[in-house]
Amino acid sequence: GENVEQHPSTLSVQEGDSAVIKCTYSDSASNYFPWYKQELGKGSQLIIDIRSNVGEKKDQRIAVTLNKTAKHFSLHITETQPEDSAVYFCAAPLLTGGGNKLTFGTGTQLKVEL
Amino acid sequence: DTGVSQNPRHKITKRGQNVTFRCDPISEHNRLYWYRQTLGQGPEFLTYFQNEAQLEKSRLLSDRFSAERPKGSFSTLEIQRTEQGDSAMYLCASSLGGDSRNLFPQHFGDGTRLSIL
Repeated sequence: GENVEQHPSTLSVQEGDSAVIKCTYSDSASNYFPWYKQELGKGSQLIIDIRSNVGEKKDQRIAVTLNKTAKHFSLHITETQPEDSAVYFCAAPLLTGGGNKLTFGTGTQLKVEL
Repeated sequence: DTGVSQNPRHKITKRGQNVTFRCDPISEHNRLYWYRQTLGQGPEFLTYFQNEAQLEKSRLLSDRFSAERPKGSFSTLEIQRTEQGDSAMYLCASSLGGDSRNLFPQHFGDGTRLSIL
């Protein structure tokens, strides 16, 4: 099955700085990698995703990079703002059964300090 | 924009009672997933439906758990004879269908937080 590891577990940055969260996965067949943001008391909001046929994807201040050879992918947030403070989860699909079951990392608590 | 809706948001019950949660997916999504999330962990897959068919169940889903999606729209998750270890956030997600070469994003609801006294 798929195993996803996520680092760091907590990350504090100053407002305006960049934040990087890294994940590794085990199944070389995995082909889709979403990132979710979870604010207190809420479910997970999809913020960006990447497919295995590209190495990088950007959406305004958020970017994701993928290294298929090393089996790792990273979330980059630039010009961080206080509203970016949340728990971020990476995920990879467990492809057996074809159902797109997601295996999640253990989360990164990002705190953006003023 | 109607997202995934879950009810109730919170449920507190005594050990041994039965509880039922409801999930209303995004209307055009034919896949519906249930996950469970405990404190400090990411969501863990429980089961999923393609339309009304329940296609896979995790080994986390004991015999006390049952999920239905009778008309291929909303789904219910029932837990019988609740135990302390069932305390968690139960999350529902939905997506369009696709095969392993073309996976569609899953969109999550805000979850139902279950507390067992």
